[in-house]
Amino acid sequence: KQEVTQIPAALSVPEGENLVLNCSFTDSAIYNLQWFRQDPGKGLTSLLLIQSSQREQTSGRLNASLDKSSGRSTLYIAASQPGDSATYLCAVQDRDDKIIFGKGTRLHILP
Amino acid sequence: GAGVSQSPSNKVTEKGKDVELRCDPISGHTALYWYRQSLGQGLEFLIYFQGNSAPDKSGLPSDRFSAERTGGSVSTLTIQRTQQEDSAVYLCASSLAATSGALPNNEQFFGPGTRLTVL
Repeated sequence: KQEVTQIPAALSVPEGENLVLNCSFTDSAIYNLQWFRQDPGKGLTSLLLIQSSQREQTSGRLNASLDKSSGRSTLYIAASQPGDSATYLCAVQDRDDKIIFGKGTRLHILP
Repeated sequence: GAGVSQSPSNKVTEKGKDVELRCDPISGHTALYWYRQSLGQGLEFLIYFQGNSAPDKSGLPSDRFSAERTGGSVSTLTIQRTQQEDSAVYLCASSLAATSGALPNNEQFFGPGTRLTVL
């Protein structure tokens, strides 16, 4: 059974710092991995989608990597800003098309 | 263009009543997903549709939950005889396709959710 774990559960960093959020999954047979952010009272916003054949994706200050063999993904945020404060969710889509989410990392950027 | 919309945004109901939640996916998206996020819990996958059919309904929490999709577009999630533990935010998402085998891009786009409170 696929399990997705995100570490840390919560993180506070000063504005301007670079940071890394971690996601691990137990079954490497995935179609893709997606990172989302969730803001209070709002739906999820897709950040980056990495197909199983890819190793990384970049969008602006965000870079997501995927190492399928080790069951890991990282989301790197460069030059953090207060507006980056949110909960970041990692989700994998397995071969049965099920989507399994991690519990998320609550990120707080200190002004 | 228009994103995924859900209605109602908030629903308060009494225990034992039935509720119906609606999702309008992005036009042209063939795959539609339902999730639930309970207080303090992660996101829970409920069911997905490829077109009008739902290949896997095993994520539905109980037989009080059902979902349908007609015309390959709008979907409704129905909860019968609601219980307090059904209180959660119900999120809907859509994508071009359910699997990446046929199309390279199956990024999911989420609606704002319906907050259900069962008293």
